[in-house]
Amino acid sequence: AQKITQTQPGMFVQEKEAVTLDCTYDTSDQSYGLFWYKQPSSGEMIFLIYQGSYDEQNATEGRYSLNFQKARKSANLVISASQLGDSAMYFCAMREGGTGGFKTIFGAGTRLFVKA
Amino acid sequence: GAVVSQHPSRVICKSGTSVKIECRSLDFQATTMFWYRQFPKQSLMLMATSNEGSKATYEQGVEKDKFLINHASLTLSTLTVTSAHPEDSSFYICSARDPSGGPLEQYFGPGTRLTVT
Repeated sequence: AQKITQTQPGMFVQEKEAVTLDCTYDTSDQSYGLFWYKQPSSGEMIFLIYQGSYDEQNATEGRYSLNFQKARKSANLVISASQLGDSAMYFCAMREGGTGGFKTIFGAGTRLFVKA
Repeated sequence: GAVVSQHPSRVICKSGTSVKIECRSLDFQATTMFWYRQFPKQSLMLMATSNEGSKATYEQGVEKDKFLINHASLTLSTLTVTSAHPEDSSFYICSARDPSGGPLEQYFGPGTRLTVT
């Protein structure tokens, strides 16, 4: 079963507008972490933002904010004031413990296209 | 932030040969390292988790005899693709865990693009 679900394979946004990338997750752990990464065409994974399961406030990092709704198990990424350089692949990821130990798993990703 | 390097960044090998990919944590001691593979336009799939000095734990469906992982020191893990075939062509990304790094304790390497001809 999918543990991280990103339902939007591709998204378009106009430059300077805000965009929300969806992510839902499934875990039975009480303690877990949620991450968003950006992957440009170069392939490197760029960390954007982190939300801990016990954090009561939504995480923000510059133009990025994470809309964390724990009861709904969603962790959507909001990018404000989109820039052309934001065009990339975006992955939602979850880190959990579990009997197998610490591991981070990724969603299928959303490709964001920013239009001029 | 912490830096993780991978070598080589790109490698082309012939079918049937073996290729080794190195992953190094440059400024911290990584007790745990992870290996992911990524097919074009797809997500990162966790292949295995390795802890320094012990055997790697492979994810379901990953052939441990084909993808040999060695984590011989706190700063180096290697992935060897044995008897490579064209279907092994992929982007391989390592990640290292710095236990002193707090929540943001997992750092990714830049990836290695393997092409098997």
